[in-house]
Amino acid sequence: AQKITQTQPGMFVQEKEAVTLDCTYDTSDPSYGLFWYKQPSSGEMIFLIYQGSYDQQNATEGRYSLNFQKARKSANLVISASQLGDSAMYFCVGRLTGGGNKLTFGTGTQLKVEL
Amino acid sequence: GAVVSQHPSWVICKSGTSVKIECRSLDFQATTMFWYRQFPKQSLMLMATSNEGSKATYEQGVEKDKFLINHASLTLSTLTVTSAHPEDSSFYICSASGGSSYNSPLHFGNGTRLTVT
Repeated sequence: AQKITQTQPGMFVQEKEAVTLDCTYDTSDPSYGLFWYKQPSSGEMIFLIYQGSYDQQNATEGRYSLNFQKARKSANLVISASQLGDSAMYFCVGRLTGGGNKLTFGTGTQLKVEL
Repeated sequence: GAVVSQHPSWVICKSGTSVKIECRSLDFQATTMFWYRQFPKQSLMLMATSNEGSKATYEQGVEKDKFLINHASLTLSTLTVTSAHPEDSSFYICSASGGSSYNSPLHFGNGTRLTVT
């Protein structure tokens, strides 16, 4: 079965510090996409960053970067220079060929940025 | 960027009535849309896959007669919660993609918070 695992239910980080949110995945398919979404308390799902299984370089989008370690099947999200507005739930999501191209969600990490 | 519009953003209805939630892709065509349900502080749970021009595919345990899905065009899918009961109160969110392959990101609507009294 395709599976996405987020082992950190909650994280705290101080403003302006960097934080890493962990994500591991389990698939035997060679082709897959990994996404990170942010869900603030208002509920909308905001797309942050994408990493494809064949991508040679780690994805970066502004303050977001993805530490993709294919051999370890991990795709950790790194947020640099945290801001108060980064406080939200973060979901690691896989779009795995073997899962019919549906999304597979991790359980999420609640991030709180403190002053 | 791609935009998915979901309406209404919140709705309160009486037990026994039906509620329709719309999901529209505004600037792309979506042959497939997905409907999710989310309980407080939990992850999104896929309810069904909505395919344009054909019947929806429901996940195990989701009642198809309770949650009616219609995907009449390439830009619109609707979810109707029929004969709603308080236990149907939840956050419902849709997503759509312009492509069906693994590297096509899915864009989400802003969700609908349903409260059944």
